[in-house]
Amino acid sequence: GAVVSQHPSRVICKSGTSVKIECRSLDFQATTMFWYRQFPKQSLMLMATSNEGSKATYEQGVEKDKFLINHASLTLSTLTVTSAHPEDSSFYICSARRTASTDTQYFGPGTRLTVL
Amino acid sequence: RKEVEQDPGPFNVPEGATVAFNCTYSNSASQSFFWYRQDCRKEPKLLMSVYSSGNEDGRFTAQLNRASQYISLLIRDSKLSDSATYLCVVRTPGTYKYIFGTGTRLKVLA
Repeated sequence: GAVVSQHPSRVICKSGTSVKIECRSLDFQATTMFWYRQFPKQSLMLMATSNEGSKATYEQGVEKDKFLINHASLTLSTLTVTSAHPEDSSFYICSARRTASTDTQYFGPGTRLTVL
Repeated sequence: RKEVEQDPGPFNVPEGATVAFNCTYSNSASQSFFWYRQDCRKEPKLLMSVYSSGNEDGRFTAQLNRASQYISLLIRDSKLSDSATYLCVVRTPGTYKYIFGTGTRLKVLA
């Protein structure tokens, strides 16, 4: 089956620091990866769509300079939360769509970010 | 109106019960629908896609009603392990973007 990994699974950082989260598709090529954020007791909210070799497309209200996305290869996308603040504390989940396949998305295990 | 709406629950049911969840969507042009299951503090996992003709996978049955713009999930013979949050997902037409409902929480009681 399709496997997506994320690293790290959990991170605690001080306010003002930057945190990088990696999302990898382990056994397939993913032209498109998605980044979501989930606050407690809420559903997943799409932050941005990441396409290999091009700039990410951000959803309304998501600051592109704060959440830097890089999709340098067909198996890796990274999300960097810059100058993190406590309100950025959340569960960040990526997903990947197989190249030239159905619209099914496969989700990574998520990264729990806590900003002190 | 939210794009995808679900009753948040919780639904507390005894083992062996049958339980049904509904989900409504606002965009009549939507074509792809899914049910995902999410356990506490974990990622969503695909339970089943929802097809126009309805589909069944073991104890789970999904139905689509385009006229009324809702999809449903029926779980028969509930197990303790079915306790989770069930997320209704609709793909935005013309894109590969998913819109998630807020989820319906199910607790199956012994």
